[in-house]
Amino acid sequence: GAGVSQSPSNKVTEKGKDVELRCDPISGHTALYWYRQSLGQGLEFLIYFQGNSAPDKSGLPSDRFSAERTGGSVSTLTIQRTQQEDSAVYLCASSLARRGVRTEAFFGQGTRLTVV
Amino acid sequence: DAKTTQPNSMESNEEEPVHLPCNHSTISGTDYIHWYRQLPSQGPEYVIHGLTSNVNNRMASLAIAEDRKSSTLILHRATLRDAAVYYCILLNSGNTPLVFGKGTRLSVIA
Repeated sequence: GAGVSQSPSNKVTEKGKDVELRCDPISGHTALYWYRQSLGQGLEFLIYFQGNSAPDKSGLPSDRFSAERTGGSVSTLTIQRTQQEDSAVYLCASSLARRGVRTEAFFGQGTRLTVV
Repeated sequence: DAKTTQPNSMESNEEEPVHLPCNHSTISGTDYIHWYRQLPSQGPEYVIHGLTSNVNNRMASLAIAEDRKSSTLILHRATLRDAAVYYCILLNSGNTPLVFGKGTRLSVIA
């Protein structure tokens, strides 16, 4: 597709279960970001992948959260042992980096995660 | 990291121009000034970015102060659809992530 695709669009899970959220960035984009947004709150940065560099994991809230990006393309955000406070919309974005300069980031529609 | 300061909220009448300010007094020479906005119930969308010169595109204009310590996003004619949270973000050429602050919530009155 032409844009950033995230799946699933909605996920309801029981407390304590693990979940995986998927992001398909725009083809060729070297930078990929994950954010979460709780209801009525701002965008919280989680993790950033840039090319072959080590990811910037400084925003991950706990060791229950992890992410990987395979082959420089698709990314998966995994939340282990989900808690109710993990309920939020998880957003993924991708962008190009030309000669080190980031171009505009395109966002997916997000995955709404509800932990019951 | 260079930080930005924006007013929490602003209000504009429909069809009027809107000037959204951003202060970034600790900006470095390699920091680009990016603006994004988030409409209600949607993900953020890119608006505009610049380095030193003023920039125009179909959505908005970006006016950058000569000393680069501040910038202003200009919406030439606000519409109801422009009601959103507007974020001013500094990005350099290094491997720093795109981090959103609190932004300015713009309300547009019909």
